[in-house]
Amino acid sequence: GQNIDQPTEMTATEGAIVQINCTYQTSGFNGLFWYQQHAGEAPTFLSYNVLDGLEEKGRFSSFLSRSKGYSYLLLKELQMKDSASYLCAPMDSNYQLIWGAGTKLIIKP
Amino acid sequence: DVKVTQSSRYLVKRTGEKVFLECVQDMDHENMFWYRQDPGLGLRLIYFSYDVKMKEKGDIPEGYSVSREKKERFSLILESASTNQTSMYLCASSPGTTDHNEQFFGPGTRLTVL
Repeated sequence: GQNIDQPTEMTATEGAIVQINCTYQTSGFNGLFWYQQHAGEAPTFLSYNVLDGLEEKGRFSSFLSRSKGYSYLLLKELQMKDSASYLCAPMDSNYQLIWGAGTKLIIKP
Repeated sequence: DVKVTQSSRYLVKRTGEKVFLECVQDMDHENMFWYRQDPGLGLRLIYFSYDVKMKEKGDIPEGYSVSREKKERFSLILESASTNQTSMYLCASSPGTTDHNEQFFGPGTRLTVL
């Protein structure tokens, strides 16, 4: 079957760095997306990885290891507005996104 | 600017009513999706469409139907609403079956069935 595993909740301090891990099992693989979702709002795109390695985009970076079925999202210089849920979503062989339940990130001052 | 709109942000209906949720995208995208999102469960795919007049069942199609008469519009229909269909409904669209097939989401409709 297809499965996504990411922590339910994480807490971090403003200004710090946090890493949100995601492991996945899918039928085929066509890349992996990370989305951010603030409470009561729609998900918005953060990053896409299709090859192994690190993709950096400002304060956010995303890493992929296809052989390990593993990805992480790294958030640096945390700000209060980063408090949100972060959704890991690999794309399977049918180009369907398989959604994890998300990790709720709480930022404390 | 990319845009997906949904007909209502909040909706309250009674058990047994027929409910229509409308979604419109202005990006000429091929693919459109309907999800529901419940606490702790993540996004669950109800139906999707790869083309006009085409529809495919997702993971939880029971109790729902869809219509795509025009490329830009994808409607979700609850034939007879039930309380277990109280949820956040999210519509999304994406360009097509290619790499980096990013989905763009509408603002969501929070449906309450009494």
